[in-house]
Amino acid sequence: SQQGEEDPQALSIQEGENATMNCSYKTSINNLQWYRQNSGRGLVHLILIRSNEREKHSGRLRVTLDTSKKSSSLLITASRAADTASYFCAIYTGTASKLTFGTGTRLQVTL
Amino acid sequence: DAGVIQSPRHEVTEMGQEVTLRCKPISGHNSLFWYRQTMMRGLELLIYFNNNVPIDDSGMPEDRFSAKMPNASFSTLKIQPSEPRDSAVYFCASSPTGGISGYTFGSGTRLTVV
Repeated sequence: SQQGEEDPQALSIQEGENATMNCSYKTSINNLQWYRQNSGRGLVHLILIRSNEREKHSGRLRVTLDTSKKSSSLLITASRAADTASYFCAIYTGTASKLTFGTGTRLQVTL
Repeated sequence: DAGVIQSPRHEVTEMGQEVTLRCKPISGHNSLFWYRQTMMRGLELLIYFNNNVPIDDSGMPEDRFSAKMPNASFSTLKIQPSEPRDSAVYFCASSPTGGISGYTFGSGTRLTVV
């Protein structure tokens, strides 16, 4: 399966700490995207990293991509209670006009 | 921009009834995707359209499920007859570029079949 596998499945941290989530996949990609889903809501696009990029930043988010290991990580720095959500990676291979989503990491940020 | 609009937000129906879920994509987006999300199976792609044409419906679980996109601004997902195992949250998403630059998701329809 091309589906991304995320690790860990669940993560609980305290406010102010950093949160790191990992995504592994099995095929060549054109880009990899990260999404956030708050409880009861649709997924929201956070950040996209292309296959020829190794690192990208957006505010408190830092994404890395290692195409040789077929893996990506999402780092949220100085986490806040509002960051509590599920985070999904999604890969775009270019062979079909669609994304393939991972299984998600549930992040809980406590005060 | 109002985003991707789905209706209804919640639907409770009895087993055997027909259910129709609706989606209005973002204007100018030429790709539309229907997903189903459950705790057990996660996020599953059911079907997607490019320029109103169904491209891949291999994720549609059974013949009870059908989807249409009669024009660029409207799509429906129909379940007939509905069964309790169809209970899930159904999401519609649209994209201007077939997904390469990302999707915009609707808020979803929570379907409960009793």
